[in-house]
Amino acid sequence: GAVVSQHPSWVICKSGTSVKIECRSLDFQATTMFWYRQFPKQSLMLMATSNEGSKATYEQGVEKDKFLINHASLTLSTLTVTSAHPEDSSFYICSARERTSGTDTQYFGPGTRLTVL
Amino acid sequence: EDQVTQSPEALRLQEGESSSLNCSYTVSGLRGLFWYRQDPGKGPEFLFTLYSAGEEKEKERLKATLTKKESFLHITAPKPEDSATYLCAVHLLSSRLTFGEGTQLTVNP
Repeated sequence: GAVVSQHPSWVICKSGTSVKIECRSLDFQATTMFWYRQFPKQSLMLMATSNEGSKATYEQGVEKDKFLINHASLTLSTLTVTSAHPEDSSFYICSARERTSGTDTQYFGPGTRLTVL
Repeated sequence: EDQVTQSPEALRLQEGESSSLNCSYTVSGLRGLFWYRQDPGKGPEFLFTLYSAGEEKEKERLKATLTKKESFLHITAPKPEDSATYLCAVHLLSSRLTFGEGTQLTVNP
């Protein structure tokens, strides 16, 4: 199956600093990637849709200046949490959309645990 | 409003005790329905995509079925390693996924 990687797998930072998370599709090209946030014991919440070569589309209530998304190539999207605060601590997961003839599937990365002190 | 509801929230089975998980949905413009498995602290692992009512797919001890209103994930003779949270997601025309809250499955040896 298709593989999606994320880096780093976990990060601890001080309040006020920025953190960048990378999402890569390893064996397929993804024109569309998605960023999710997941709180403990809850399901995934879509934050934004990242399209290669264009601006990301953010879900209602998600601050685009706080969560900067760049999709610079067909295999890489990045999420930068700017001026992070403790309330930004969460599990961030990306997915990449693979479209072939007859199938349209999203594969997820392993997630990044962000802790802001 | 698009809604996806999974039941039960939690399910405990004995090893070898077969059961089914339910995912009911009310959406406009369904392109497909996904099942994922998620282990604690990890990203969801893709299991199945179903595209049309009547479709069935199988993988080892798991079988997924789809009707116009719901999907079932049947688990036959489960093993402890099948313990995980199973997530259902509907794929909409907008290309986004809308997830259910998941069913936490525990299989005791």
